Amino acid sequence: AQKITQTQPGMFVQEKEAVTLDCTYDTSDPSYGLFWYKQPSSGEMIFLIYQGSYDQQNATEGRYSLNFQKARKSANLVISASQLGDSAMYFCAMRGLSGGYQKVTFGIGTKLQVIP
Amino acid sequence: GAGVSQSPRYKVAKRGQDVALRCDPISGHVSLFWYQQALGQGPEFLTYFQNEAQLDKSGLPSDRFFAERPEGSVSTLKIQRTQQEDSAVYLCASSSDRADTQYFGPGTRLTVL
Repeated sequence: AQKITQTQPGMFVQEKEAVTLDCTYDTSDPSYGLFWYKQPSSGEMIFLIYQGSYDQQNATEGRYSLNFQKARKSANLVISASQLGDSAMYFCAMRGLSGGYQKVTFGIGTKLQVIP
Repeated sequence: GAGVSQSPRYKVAKRGQDVALRCDPISGHVSLFWYQQALGQGPEFLTYFQNEAQLDKSGLPSDRFFAERPEGSVSTLKIQRTQQEDSAVYLCASSSDRADTQYFGPGTRLTVL
């Protein structure tokens, strides 16, 4: 079984500042992938960043980076230089990669609000 | 290229009515997923297709829920005899392979009165 925990229901950040959204996970699968998605008020889930459990380096995509700490089972999302358009729900998700297909499990999400 | 599209974007149904929700995946994507997202929650897996084959339907909450993808492209999620607890956003996602990143559509918001 897989579990994703996001303990921050809501976060505020000043425009142009950096913010960290927390995510911890639990799985018995030795190989897995971790994802972050953004969901603005329009409802669409937008893929942001992916981290494989065996990747040597932390993933980065533009202003997004994933602070992956395998021993602590955490996969925090760092958004640098926040913009007003970053205001949205953010979901952490994971999928086991062993033994063929496995479903994706999502966390409950964190609502980020960027303040001008 | 075009992303995942879903229709209708909004659907209001009276309790007991049948509804059909459509998903057009990204062209060439062989894997297609349906999720249900209740208010204030993350998406919950419903079912998965590899081409036209439904390989996992373990997340469908009851036998009132039925999904199909007859030609391995467009998919339809059907809910029979809708109940108020079916009110949610239904998200469709596709990926080029079963283990690849999933790309989501805008969702269909279903409200059952």
